[in-house]
Amino acid sequence: GEDVEQSLFLSVREGDSSVINCTYTDSSSTYLYWYKQEPGAGLQLLTYIFSNMDMKQDQRLTVLLNKKDKHLSLRIADTQTGDSAIYFCADKGPRGSTLGRLYFGRGTQLTVWP
Amino acid sequence: DGGITQSPKYLFRKEGQNVTLSCEQNLNHDAMYWYRQDPGQGLRLIYYSHIVNDFQKGDIAEGYSVSREKKESFPLTVTSAQKNPTAFYLCASSIGSGGARETQYFGPGTRLLVL
Repeated sequence: GEDVEQSLFLSVREGDSSVINCTYTDSSSTYLYWYKQEPGAGLQLLTYIFSNMDMKQDQRLTVLLNKKDKHLSLRIADTQTGDSAIYFCADKGPRGSTLGRLYFGRGTQLTVWP
Repeated sequence: DGGITQSPKYLFRKEGQNVTLSCEQNLNHDAMYWYRQDPGQGLRLIYYSHIVNDFQKGDIAEGYSVSREKKESFPLTVTSAQKNPTAFYLCASSIGSGGARETQYFGPGTRLLVL
């Protein structure tokens, strides 16, 4: 299946780390993505990870992938109030798919308190 | 600047009226997508197109129609048959090469409200 699950809310204090979790069901997923959506705006690509990788780091962002458990996480170090947004996990279909379709979770609302 | 534009930012629909949402991209992407977003929901795929003059239904196509006459344009019409059209509509595009990594890039969205 193509179900992607995320918890809906996360609150952290400014300066702490945030960890947003995601689970997916399609074991043949090739790429997994994290998008950020600020209020009233479109989705902004944050990062992605290929399914043969365990970890990817990009400045304050660290993505961890546990393919055995079909679990993806996004860690934001030194979280700032500007990081407050909705974060979507998305799953790309099987390798070689011509569809290019992404399956999205419902999004995690991250609130950062000063 | 390369990117995706959507217009208008806000759109109001009267009962029984068809309205059209615009989506334009200058990224030279072959593939384009329309999503609907409701509060607390993920993105649901309405229609997609991988090439000019061809498009396919997504998961919630009923009450919507699209056209793809030009590579850079993929307008969405919300017809009177769509009984609950109030939502945030997002357009996206990707290279469309069919490769493993088909990153989608999104426009700023159009909020449709019913009068």
